[in-house]
Amino acid sequence: KNQVEQSPQSLIILEGKNCTLQCNYTVSPFSNLRWYKQDTGRGPVSLTIMTFSENTKSNGRYTATLDADTKQSSLHITASQLSDSASYICVVGFGNEKLTFGTGTRLTIIP
Amino acid sequence: DVKVTQSSRYLVKRTGEKVFLECVQDMDHENMFWYRQDPGLGLRLIYFSYDVKMKEKGDIPEGYSVSREKKERFSLILESASTNQTSMYLCASSISGIPYEQYFGPGTRLTVT
Repeated sequence: KNQVEQSPQSLIILEGKNCTLQCNYTVSPFSNLRWYKQDTGRGPVSLTIMTFSENTKSNGRYTATLDADTKQSSLHITASQLSDSASYICVVGFGNEKLTFGTGTRLTIIP
Repeated sequence: DVKVTQSSRYLVKRTGEKVFLECVQDMDHENMFWYRQDPGLGLRLIYFSYDVKMKEKGDIPEGYSVSREKKERFSLILESASTNQTSMYLCASSISGIPYEQYFGPGTRLTVT
């Protein structure tokens, strides 16, 4: 069964600090891995998309890594801001444009 | 900028009512999707459409139907709403080709009483 597991479920950090969110997946055949940011009451917004051949991708203060051998990905947020408070969802694409979504990590930035 | 809009942000309906959720995208995308999102569960695909009048079932199509008469519009229909369909409904659109970027609407929070 295709699964995407994220950890931690929730995280609270001080403004200005860095943090790393984790994603493990058992999805086959793997096609790509995405990270989305979802503000409360809003739809998800894409941060990065990585294919099998990419092992890192950045979008401003967000850097995603992918280890296809261990089936793990991480999202690193640098110098966190209050606006980074959101849920971060790991999504794995497989087969013919199908997606499996993780349940997300709820990140709270406190001043 | 891609824009995906949904007809309502919040909706309250009674059990047994027929419910229409509408989604419109303005980027001429071929693909459109309907998901539901529940606490503790990842987004789950209800239906998707890869062309006008074309549709395919997702992972949880039971109790739902869809309509796509025009390329920019994709409707989700709850034929007879039930309390277990209380959820956040998200529409998304994308071009074809892997990997495709999915653009999501703001969501409709539906409550069935």
